[in-house]
Amino acid sequence: QQQVKQSPQSLIVQKGGISIINCAYENTAFDYFPWYQQFPGKGPALLIAIRPDVSEKKEGRFTISFNKSAKQFSLHIMDSQPGDSATYFCAARESGGGADGLTFGKGTHLIIQP
Amino acid sequence: DTAVSQTPKYLVTQMGNDKSIKCEQNLGHDTMYWYKQDSKKFLKIMFSYNNKELIINETVPNRFSPKSPDKAHLNLHINSLELGDSAVYFCASSQLWREQYFGPGTRLTVT
Repeated sequence: QQQVKQSPQSLIVQKGGISIINCAYENTAFDYFPWYQQFPGKGPALLIAIRPDVSEKKEGRFTISFNKSAKQFSLHIMDSQPGDSATYFCAARESGGGADGLTFGKGTHLIIQP
Repeated sequence: DTAVSQTPKYLVTQMGNDKSIKCEQNLGHDTMYWYKQDSKKFLKIMFSYNNKELIINETVPNRFSPKSPDKAHLNLHINSLELGDSAVYFCASSQLWREQYFGPGTRLTVT
């Protein structure tokens, strides 16, 4: 049972364009939604995260949009650059003091063409 | 100044062997984790450890066991290695349930 569904599996965007990656979840107990960026041979690096009390969070060129009623959230990368080429993972977890790990989507392989 | 470190980076071993992967974090976090990333890059939680409380993903074989000598370390021991254990293993840490920071990974190859 996949609790966090991520799409698309791969994405090619021209330099300067907007990259959009979508995720959907079923577990209504999730209340923390991070995005991770992973380069080949490296560990996932936290990019940006959101909690469901806000509908949008922006950090530089990266924006998370969150739709609680639809149980969906998305990552937008504005002015995409070749250096953004990586695999992106959405994730979710239940907070509140437990020691549970993150539930990850299956990842999106993003290629930014120069 | 590495926040979460793992050793070794690569581990090649034969089926049936027992091996360990070490993890250390210098962030002062109280919770540590082990994740497995398979050949399709899917990341899956294996264990989380907080204040002597261990939470085990029920799908993890009992050949895998985490051991924490102190708050800054969570090592992963694997007994009787199988071909299907080949993967990249990531250690991570967080303060309670806040942001998790990942190590660089250990690529395990079982032949």
